[in-house]
Amino acid sequence: DPKIIQKPKYLVAVTGSEKILICEQYLGHNAMYWYRQSAKKPLEFMFSYSYQKLMDNQTASSRFQPQSSKKNHLDLQITALKPDDSATYFCASSQTGQHSGNTLYFGEGSRLIVV
Amino acid sequence: SQWGEENLQALSIQEGEDVTMNCSYKTYTTVVQWYRQKSGKGPAQLILIRSNEREKRSGRLRATLDTSSQSSSLSITGTLATDTAVYFCATDAGTQVVGQLTFGRGTRLQVYA
Repeated sequence: DPKIIQKPKYLVAVTGSEKILICEQYLGHNAMYWYRQSAKKPLEFMFSYSYQKLMDNQTASSRFQPQSSKKNHLDLQITALKPDDSATYFCASSQTGQHSGNTLYFGEGSRLIVV
Repeated sequence: SQWGEENLQALSIQEGEDVTMNCSYKTYTTVVQWYRQKSGKGPAQLILIRSNEREKRSGRLRATLDTSSQSSSLSITGTLATDTAVYFCATDAGTQVVGQLTFGRGTRLQVYA
């Protein structure tokens, strides 16, 4: 059984609309992350959360807002969607929020297509 | 080698053959991690090798790291059709950001039965 649940698995959205991607992990990890993978770019780090606190936001615009209601839960709200936002969004987690040598565990991704 | 603006590399081999995939990175890293991503799935870590290690083995997998040339390799011996996947190397690129890995573009490996 998958230990990191992402929903929905696929979605199609209209330009300008808003969507929320859901992620829950059942690994008992303290840190969670969002990554994005598109046809044009390698897998790309977006956000880092440790103990429900935002640690870093690297490349994402303000249209991308992570939301953590529980320690094992990290959603991603995307507003004013653009076709360039089309990608697969992966949620990941790690045991601790320490820096070096963390193994990341990834979910199966949410594939977003913006038309 | 995978990295930067290079296109995704592709390899096709027969089951039972050995294969080596290479990765070069541009920035100092404390670790190199190798991940495998099967079609429709998320990446899964295979091996983590630290900057003070030159080689790491796990079953049929062997990773090497040469910090002087900033390169790493992943070898698979006796490949199976189930090894078909995209293989990525990832580094921490010296960042202090928790969980931030920089991934290469990957090598697509097709193993024919």
